Amino acid sequence: DAGVIQSPRHEVTEMGQEVTLRCKPISGHDYLFWYRQTMMRGLELLIYFNNNVPIDDSGMPEDRFSAKMPNASFSTLKIQPSEPRDSAVYFCASSRSGTRDTDTQYFGPGTRLTVL
Amino acid sequence: QQQVKQSPQSLIVQKGGISIINCAYENTAFDYFPWYQQFPGKGPALLIAIRPDVSEKKEGRFTISFNKSAKQFSLHIMDSQPGDSATYFCAASNPEGSYIPTFGRGTSLIVHP
Repeated sequence: DAGVIQSPRHEVTEMGQEVTLRCKPISGHDYLFWYRQTMMRGLELLIYFNNNVPIDDSGMPEDRFSAKMPNASFSTLKIQPSEPRDSAVYFCASSRSGTRDTDTQYFGPGTRLTVL
Repeated sequence: QQQVKQSPQSLIVQKGGISIINCAYENTAFDYFPWYQQFPGKGPALLIAIRPDVSEKKEGRFTISFNKSAKQFSLHIMDSQPGDSATYFCAASNPEGSYIPTFGRGTSLIVHP
């Protein structure tokens, strides 16, 4: 398997612009997670899906952030409008159904977002 | 509310030394404790994990020690190597939370040659 695929790997944009991050989870995984990593706050869980349905979006910082999972093989995280404080590395991760033996999260390589 | 507290935030060790990272948790329902390793420019990846029915798990140079009564667990890296330089995250999960891990803040480890 190719693992979790994220695109783009790097994104530089200007404040106020819309940013869309994309993720393809590992085939057969029914959980998908979006994380944000910064030096100040560490690894933050933004939102996660189970079987394409958003389960917990309490980590989404504000209404400028939205996430969708239209099918089992694709998810997007959108920021509109973007702000400099959104600059971070955004990770997508996937896992199989939540049992102790299968809860290993497989992370993608991340998207480094810089908002000028 | 930080449910898993990790320390230290950063750690510098000489090659051949022992690296020790500590974590503490509050939720007694946690019953699975994985550690993730993240190299620069990469996503975190599972390194080793322990369940509370054992007090220690060893895989090569990496050992997890678990103290259920104290609600603490730690990662020991023996004979630390420069290639171990990475960020390490402890985590905890439980069935009520669908085994979705709660991560610690991470420890940046630098091993000097």
